[in-house]
Amino acid sequence: DIQMTQSPSSLSASVGDRVTITCQASQDISDYLNWYQQKPGKAPNLLIYDASNLQTGVPSRFSGSGSGTDFTFTISSLQPEDFATYYCQQYSNLPLTFGPGTKVDLK
Amino acid sequence: EVQLEESGGGLVQPGRSLRLSCTASGFSFDDYAMHWVRQAPGKGLEWVSGISWNSGNIAYADSVRGRFTISRDNAKNSLYLQMNSLRPEDTAFYFCAKLGPSMVIKGEFDSWGQGTLVIVSS
Repeated sequence: DIQMTQSPSSLSASVGDRVTITCQASQDISDYLNWYQQKPGKAPNLLIYDASNLQTGVPSRFSGSGSGTDFTFTISSLQPEDFATYYCQQYSNLPLTFGPGTKVDLK
Repeated sequence: EVQLEESGGGLVQPGRSLRLSCTASGFSFDDYAMHWVRQAPGKGLEWVSGISWNSGNIAYADSVRGRFTISRDNAKNSLYLQMNSLRPEDTAFYFCAKLGPSMVIKGEFDSWGQGTLVIVSS
């Protein structure tokens, strides 16, 4: 199975901050990497697919990059509604696997 | 608008069975692969199972293989998860999720239901 790691596991930030989360795969997954946002009590929401493509309707302050084993997710200017947990997910191989999540909260 | 609504969760004793359902609307259900993803309370996301549009390709996580069975009825726009021999570690919110456009059952989950809670406890 492909193991996904994320760092940091949590971070505290202020509105307007630039936030960066990294995701690493245990083997080469090309660009088969997605990013989701999940708020408490809600279902996850797709933000980025294929490592760098913005899902329709998602604000442009969200972006993703990377390929192979190392990926980055960035929020260019954190907004109040962005406080949530973020997960990466690979789909290079079955089983599909998620990273452990990064919780972004208010400093 | 895509809508996915899960049902069938509840409290069940270890070793017993439960069947989850997911009713879809707002898209051509029979054009898309569908999946189940679960989340233990306060924990991360775990993929459970996926099924192709025509049920010709099915996959399971090792943790549920042999105990859970995924199926779909395209005429009813419905996805199912039959869960047998339930264990306490199966306790979780179970989400059904629609896969994005794909020729295979791997990809991005572009729509999710709100989840149904399964509690396995004596």
